[in-house]
Amino acid sequence: GQQLNQSPQSMFIQEGEDVSMNCTSSSIFNTWLWYKQDPGEGPVLLIALYKAGELTSNGRLTAQFGITRKDSFLNISASIPSDVGIYFCAGHNFGNEKLTFGTGTRLTIIP
Amino acid sequence: DGGITQSPKYLFRKEGQNVTLSCEQNLNHDAMYWYRQDPGQGLRLIYYSQIVNDFQKGDIAEGYSVSREKKESFPLTVTSAQKNPTAFYLCASSARGVGEKLFFGSGTQLSVL
Repeated sequence: GQQLNQSPQSMFIQEGEDVSMNCTSSSIFNTWLWYKQDPGEGPVLLIALYKAGELTSNGRLTAQFGITRKDSFLNISASIPSDVGIYFCAGHNFGNEKLTFGTGTRLTIIP
Repeated sequence: DGGITQSPKYLFRKEGQNVTLSCEQNLNHDAMYWYRQDPGQGLRLIYYSQIVNDFQKGDIAEGYSVSREKKESFPLTVTSAQKNPTAFYLCASSARGVGEKLFFGSGTQLSVL
C-alpha cells in the first residue's frame, strides 16, 4: 500500500526553536491530518484539514493543506520538551475506509 | 472514561506459536483497525472492520487473523505463518462517518523468543 513521504525523517533541535515538517503524496487527498505519537504510546490526532489552502492552528501548532492537495505542512513554534515524539501525517478521501499514513518525523530536543 | 484498551503491553512469542492481542473499546465506535509499526516505516494496516461480523484485509494481512464478534472487541491473532512478527501493534477505532479521526490504544510490543 501507498505510504506518504515525510521530511525530514528526524530532527534534533534545542528547546525554544521553531520546527517545520512536510508531507507529500503522488495522489490527491480530500483531507489531511497530523497525529503525534509519544514514546511507547499510540498516536493522538493533533489537527485535521478539510479544504485546500486551509491553515489551522492548535496552540503552538499550525498546519496547512497544500493548494495542490498533494501535500501538507506542520509547524511547531517555540518547542518545549513535551513536543518530543513522532509526528505522522495522514491522507484521507471521502468514502474511503482507510487512512494513508506517512513514514513519520521523529523530533528530539537536545538539552 | 471512554477509550481503547490494548493488552498485554508486552508479549513474547515462541517459534511456531500463535498469539492473540486484545483490543477493547467503549467509545461505541463502529470501525476498528489494526496497524503494525516497525522503526522508520510508519503505520501499516493489517485488518479493519466496519461492522460486527465483517472485516477486510489491509495492506499486510498475511500471517494474521482477526474476528469481530462484538462491537467492542477486535482481537488480532499473530499466527506461526507470520515469519517476522516482532513489531509494535496498534489498535484504533473511529466513529461512523468520521473515519479519518482515529482513536488509538497504547499498543502492544510483540517480540520473538
